[in-house]
Amino acid sequence: EADIYQTPRYLVIGTGKKITLECSQTMGHDKMYWYQQDPGMELHLIHYSYGVNSTEKGDLSSESTVSRIRTEHFPLTLESARPSHTSQYLCASSLAGPNQPQHFGDGTRLSIL
Amino acid sequence: GQQLNQSPQSMFIQEGEDVSMNCTSSSIFNTWLWYKQDPGEGPVLLIALYKAGELTSNGRLTAQFGITRKDSFLNISASIPSDVGIYFCAGQLRVQGAQKLVFGQGTRLTINP
Repeated sequence: EADIYQTPRYLVIGTGKKITLECSQTMGHDKMYWYQQDPGMELHLIHYSYGVNSTEKGDLSSESTVSRIRTEHFPLTLESARPSHTSQYLCASSLAGPNQPQHFGDGTRLSIL
Repeated sequence: GQQLNQSPQSMFIQEGEDVSMNCTSSSIFNTWLWYKQDPGEGPVLLIALYKAGELTSNGRLTAQFGITRKDSFLNISASIPSDVGIYFCAGQLRVQGAQKLVFGQGTRLTINP
C-alpha cells in the first residue's frame, strides 16, 4: 500500500491568498508528480521531479510552483490564488526505474472564493 | 500529443454482471496501468501491465496489454457494490528522455442493486 500523504484534504480560501499544498511520501521514491483534476475528469500533469533539486513543468500550464529540497517532500505553491485555480490537486510518486507505476495521495480539493 | 480514448464513458449495470472497458491510442506505450478512483480520494493502482500481450489478473479483475501496444482492456467479473467508482487507464511512454503518463477520460461505473 502506498504511503503518500497530502495536506490539507480540503481548503476553501479567498482570492489573492498564498497557498502551499503539502505532499510527503515515506517510500523513498525519487520521482514525484503533481496532477490537476476537475471532478470526474482525467488527470493532467502540472509538475514533476526526478529527485532533489530537480523540478520540471508538466503538460498543463499552471501558475503554481514546486520545490524539491528533500526526497520525501514535494510542496506546491500558489502565490496568489484565483477562482480559476479551483480544482483537485493530486500528488504521486514512483521509483526511479523505467515503467514504474505511480502511486497517488488522496488529493487536496481546493476552492478559491 | 498523446491521447487515450477510453470507453465507455459510463456504465450502468446490475450487481453480478460482468464489466468490460477499454482504452485505445494512436501512440505506442511501454506500460499500461489501470486505476480506480472513489469520490474524494486519489486513484488507486489496480493492475500494471509491462509487456505486449500480457494478461494479468487481480482477484475479479483481468487486464490485457494489447499486442500492438496501443490498447488495453479491463474486465471485472461478477460485479459487487464496492466496484462503483471511476476507472482510469493510463499509458506510460518515453517522451524526449522523460517518462510520461497519459490518462484516459475515465469510465464511471454505477451498479444497481
